[in-house]
Amino acid sequence: TQLLEQSPQFLSIQEGENLTVYCNSSSVFSSLQWYRQEPGEGPVLLVTVVTGGEVKKLKRLTFQFGDARKDSSLHITAAQPGDTGLYLCAGGSGGSNYKLTFGKGTLLTVNP
Amino acid sequence: NAGVTQTPKFQVLKTGQSMTLQCAQDMNHNSMYWYRQDPGMGLRLIYYSASEGTTDKGEVPNGYNVSRLNKREFSLRLESAAPSQTSVYFCASSLQGFNNSPLHFGNGTRLTVT
Repeated sequence: TQLLEQSPQFLSIQEGENLTVYCNSSSVFSSLQWYRQEPGEGPVLLVTVVTGGEVKKLKRLTFQFGDARKDSSLHITAAQPGDTGLYLCAGGSGGSNYKLTFGKGTLLTVNP
Repeated sequence: NAGVTQTPKFQVLKTGQSMTLQCAQDMNHNSMYWYRQDPGMGLRLIYYSASEGTTDKGEVPNGYNVSRLNKREFSLRLESAAPSQTSVYFCASSLQGFNNSPLHFGNGTRLTVT
């Protein structure tokens, strides 16, 4: 079973601060997705990274896929209260196009 | 667009009771999934249906059955509920597998088994 370890598990910061969330594995993934989940709702896809070393930006969010495709990071610049939520990384293996492995998530709270 | 709709939103069962969780999508997606989310465990795949007419086991299939009723609908059945099945259940769909298209999730069914 492929495992994805996310850190930190919990993060509470003040509005305007920067933060980085990590997603690590000992396995190689064909692709990696980041989702955000708000209370009482299902996860919503933020980004998919496929190529080792790939960097994608979504406004104040920067996503990076490790060169070896075993790890990823999410960096948020100047966090806002609207960024509050559970951030999940999910990795796909080449063996199946349907079995997506999720990390346990990082619960981010941005205080005004 | 409604996207992925799950019913019911909340359910309380006694041990041994049965129930069916319903899921429907209106995005003409081929693939559908059932996940459970537990504190400290993340999202775990129960069953998936790559396309209409097919179903396959995921990571934690024991105690569950599924039916892909048609392209739109994918149901999850608990034949004899156990307290260990207390969880939040999410249905998701994608146009194809996740490598080609993102997963779209419903808002979940919160199930408590006493």
